[in-house]
Amino acid sequence: GESVGLHLPTLSVQEGDNSIINCAYSNSASDYFIWYKQESGKGPQFIIDIRSNMDKRQGQRVTVLLNKTVKHLSLQIAATQPGDSAVYFCAENNDYKLSFGAGTTVTVRA
Amino acid sequence: SQTIHQWPATLVQPVGSPLSLECTVEGTSNPNLYWYRQAAGRGLQLLFYSVGIGQISSEVPQNLSASRPQDRQFILSSKKLLLSDSGFYLCAWSALHGTNQPQHFGDGTRLSIL
Repeated sequence: GESVGLHLPTLSVQEGDNSIINCAYSNSASDYFIWYKQESGKGPQFIIDIRSNMDKRQGQRVTVLLNKTVKHLSLQIAATQPGDSAVYFCAENNDYKLSFGAGTTVTVRA
Repeated sequence: SQTIHQWPATLVQPVGSPLSLECTVEGTSNPNLYWYRQAAGRGLQLLFYSVGIGQISSEVPQNLSASRPQDRQFILSSKKLLLSDSGFYLCAWSALHGTNQPQHFGDGTRLSIL
């Protein structure tokens, strides 16, 4: 079964607003987490990662937050654009294996 | 820079026919290689991984097999396809076994079994 899950399967956001995508994981021993973006008909694309010794990491327009106490991960996208419409997956890594959640579909409204 | 190629992009096969999907990686040496299957609207399920030539580990019992004849080549095969083998197959690579490195995916093969 899947050890990583997402709170909401879909998210609709107005263009220009910030998006927050949440993820819960169950394995407290996981030490590395990744967010992927998958567009229709394509493979998942790496967005950002975070190691368990951190609680926040920022990239270009994206921020990942990790709360190990409640085993929660979130991805924040600033100033959401139409090109951000996709399915977003969180994944937890144990050694070399990734466990994926089912994904959140983000739709950006013009 | 590193690139990963999968082919074909789409494939329609009859039940009982054989399968061979190929994946190659360029721009890196000794990668870890992975095969995943993604059902519609779902996350990815790890099928096989390889940490070196000829070294294959299977994650789930199934009708498929994998081989790694060269360092940067990973092949997914079946002798006789089942209807349940339909899906989106993704190959991925990562650097350095045992360390926290992201996996990078190809664009997948959409396999339909008739």
